[in-house]
Amino acid sequence: DGGITQSPKYLFRKEGQNVTLSCEQNLNHDAMYWYRQDPGQGLRLIYYSQIVNDFQKGDIAEGYSVSREKKESFPLTVTSAQKNPTAFYLCASSSQGSNEKLFFGSGTQLSVL
Amino acid sequence: GNSVTQMEGPVTLSEEAFLTINCTYTATGYPSLFWYVQYPGEGLQLLLKATKADDKGSNKGFEATYRKETTSFHLEKGSVQVSDSAVYFCALGSPGGSYIPTFGRGTSLIVHP
Repeated sequence: DGGITQSPKYLFRKEGQNVTLSCEQNLNHDAMYWYRQDPGQGLRLIYYSQIVNDFQKGDIAEGYSVSREKKESFPLTVTSAQKNPTAFYLCASSSQGSNEKLFFGSGTQLSVL
Repeated sequence: GNSVTQMEGPVTLSEEAFLTINCTYTATGYPSLFWYVQYPGEGLQLLLKATKADDKGSNKGFEATYRKETTSFHLEKGSVQVSDSAVYFCALGSPGGSYIPTFGRGTSLIVHP
């Protein structure tokens, strides 16, 4: 079955540590997105990518980095510069941009030790 | 710019009650409109969609009609179940090549037996 897979489901970060969240899709979608969700809050866009080897900052990119070396993969690194990383992170993809529906992964809960 | 406004939650209902979750939007052009649902600890999944004025999206007993004259896309269900308890997000796409969808803040629905 086609879909979008995020891993791990739960992740813990120590102070000063960088961590990477995985996002893989086998839907052959060009566009991929990373969102952050805090309890009781909506979705905030971190980064998005329209095509391989290209990505743009969203509303809250500071303290995060991404890469898009392959069409099916869009990993997110939460760097030590992100001082409040505890949140639920969602990856999504879309075939033709935002006027088509987004497919979401099941999310990664990141917590700080 | 584009924006989506949803009613504040939580919305608390008894089983078999009628549900309305209000959503209004501001947009240029003729975007597609979406309702997504998020169950606890999971990603979002598409509930229904409408692509043009007067279109009605429907799925699992939920309905929403694209009202261009009132710029609204209210979600309704005639008889809710406990299993409908979730967070509901209204969203709009953007035609013309934009890759950034716009999400509302989400409305939590709690259905009691």
